[in-house]
Amino acid sequence: AQKITQTQPGMFVQEKEAVTLDCTYDTSDPSYGLFWYKQPSSGEMIFLIYQGSYDQQNATEGRYSLNFQKARKSANLVISASQLGDSAMYFCAMREGRTGTGNQFYFGTGTSLTVIP
Amino acid sequence: DGGITQSPKYLFRKEGQNVTLSCEQNLNHDAMYWYRQDPGQGLRLIYYSQIVNDFQKGDIAEGYSVSREKKESFPLTVTSAQKNPTAFYLCASKDAPGPYYGYTFGSGTRLTVV
Repeated sequence: AQKITQTQPGMFVQEKEAVTLDCTYDTSDPSYGLFWYKQPSSGEMIFLIYQGSYDQQNATEGRYSLNFQKARKSANLVISASQLGDSAMYFCAMREGRTGTGNQFYFGTGTSLTVIP
Repeated sequence: DGGITQSPKYLFRKEGQNVTLSCEQNLNHDAMYWYRQDPGQGLRLIYYSQIVNDFQKGDIAEGYSVSREKKESFPLTVTSAQKNPTAFYLCASKDAPGPYYGYTFGSGTRLTVV
């Protein structure tokens, strides 16, 4: 079974509008972390936001927020007030277990976001 | 500025040749990782190292080899045994064992077999 599922291969959003990128995950470990990364055409992966499995509040980082629905195993990324520079691939990832360098990250297949002027 | 440097950015290899991808970090991170990215797929773990002179296989280690002789460096060799090496390769590092911080990634190397 896939650990991370991103069902939207491509998304379009009008500039200044909000957009939600979907992510569902699968784990039986009670301790895990969820991450979103942005990959522009240059290839580098840029860390955006993190949500821990025990965090009570949804994570927010500037225009990025993570809609964490634990019972549904869902960790959707919400980008508010989209900008042209937001056009990129977005990857959802999960780290199982407690923090540690040996913990592998599992990545989804990504969503390509295009912001339309 | 601290970060991860991957070189070269583009690499072409003839079939049957071994090639080595460089990854250097000046973040003083203990752990380093190599991922492979294919179109339409997420990242898949090749090898990782938590400490100097030690490394572990990831999910797709066959046809690859690594070394970790220095904390700053984690080169990846793509051997002739790797059947389909054309892909984008990303190196990452992580502080250890830290709180929630994710990886820091390099800018990648695109390998093409000609």
